Amino acid sequence: AQSVSQHNHHVILSEAASLELGCNYSYGGTVNLFWYVQYPGQHLQLLLKYFSGDPLVKGIKGFEAEFIKSKFSFNLRKPSVQWSDTAEYFCAVNEGRDDKIIFGKGTRLHILP
Amino acid sequence: EAGVAQSPRYKIIEKRQSVAFWCNPISGHATLYWYQQILGQGPKLLIQFQNNGVVDDSQLPKDRFSAERLKGVDSTLKIQPAKLEDSAVYLCASSLDRRVSPLHFGNGTRLTVT
Repeated sequence: AQSVSQHNHHVILSEAASLELGCNYSYGGTVNLFWYVQYPGQHLQLLLKYFSGDPLVKGIKGFEAEFIKSKFSFNLRKPSVQWSDTAEYFCAVNEGRDDKIIFGKGTRLHILP
Repeated sequence: EAGVAQSPRYKIIEKRQSVAFWCNPISGHATLYWYQQILGQGPKLLIQFQNNGVVDDSQLPKDRFSAERLKGVDSTLKIQPAKLEDSAVYLCASSLDRRVSPLHFGNGTRLTVT
């Protein structure tokens, strides 16, 4: 069955540090990939998405993610985090031939001011 | 545009009682989803509608959970009878297109079963 793994459950960083959150998925065919973010007290919202084309995708607030097909990975990165990036981040995958969107367990990111 | 509306925001019930959640998706969004998010886990899809038809309900515990989307707009998710393990946040989401559109989530309903 299709699955999504997020390696880090809780990450604590200081402001201006670089961020990389890992995401791996199990399906070997065509996939659509997403990162969603949930800020404290707010609803889940889309951060960025990959459907096809350039494997390096840029999202809102300076985030980017790279799709590496050979590694079944879609890691999220940001060169310099801010206190306002404190949130929970979810990786999600949709098989190309299926409508179902599967979410990872999430990574809780805490940025120290 | 107005977002996905859900009510109530919080609900506390005793086990074996019944409960219903309501969702109003973004206008024009044909696809509607109900997710269950247990503390410490990612959202798990319960049921997906395309207009008023069910696309996927393979993970819906049909002995106690039911959902409907009359007229292809609002949707209701019901649990009867509730169990302790149903304590979770129930998220409604909608999207324009099943395959390529991102999901727009509501704020969710936090259910506590005692």
